[in-house]
Amino acid sequence: AQSVAQPEDQVNVAEGNPLTVKCTYSVSGNPYLFWYVQYPNRGLQFLLKYITGDNLVKGSYGFEAEFNKSQTSFHLKKPSALVSDSALYFCAVRDLRNSGNTPLVFGKGTRLSVIA
Amino acid sequence: DGGITQSPKYLFRKEGQNVTLSCEQNLNHDAMYWYRQDPGQGLRLIYYSQIVNDFQKGDIAEGYSVSREKKESFPLTVTSAQKNPTAFYLCASIVAGGRGEQFFGPGTRLTVL
Repeated sequence: AQSVAQPEDQVNVAEGNPLTVKCTYSVSGNPYLFWYVQYPNRGLQFLLKYITGDNLVKGSYGFEAEFNKSQTSFHLKKPSALVSDSALYFCAVRDLRNSGNTPLVFGKGTRLSVIA
Repeated sequence: DGGITQSPKYLFRKEGQNVTLSCEQNLNHDAMYWYRQDPGQGLRLIYYSQIVNDFQKGDIAEGYSVSREKKESFPLTVTSAQKNPTAFYLCASIVAGGRGEQFFGPGTRLTVL
């Protein structure tokens, strides 16, 4: 079975400081990994994904994530946080062994608050 | 514009009523999904459909029903059997092959009065 853990319900960071939102996963095979962001009363917006290749993935709005197979982690990072980054962030996984379009499994989300 | 539309944005239901949430996509995606979002619980899968006229139950299908008569449309009916339907409902779709990301609609907030 696939699962995702986001160990922090809330992350607070000062504007201009680096931010990290943590994600660990569990799959039987190799993972597809995704990060999404959600603003209040809106749908989820895709930020970035890891499928194969370089362990450091760059995405939208200056975000990046590092895939670490030995630690089964896929932490989201940004070098300098903006107040506008304040939102709810979701990590998601799909097992590469699954065929077709099986659904993503999502973590419970981490609320990021960037303070001016 | 290509994308996923959900309607209505806000929906109010009296207890004992069935309601249907609309989800339409013009992305030519094969698979479509319905998720329910509650505070602190993330996204939970209700139903999904990989092709027309076929769908599978997700983790919390009880009290919900779906149909997939057209590739573009995947409506969700919240029946009176769903005991706690107040939530934010999200529809998503993905292109065939499953290597890409899921695209999400803007959501429908359902409130039971």
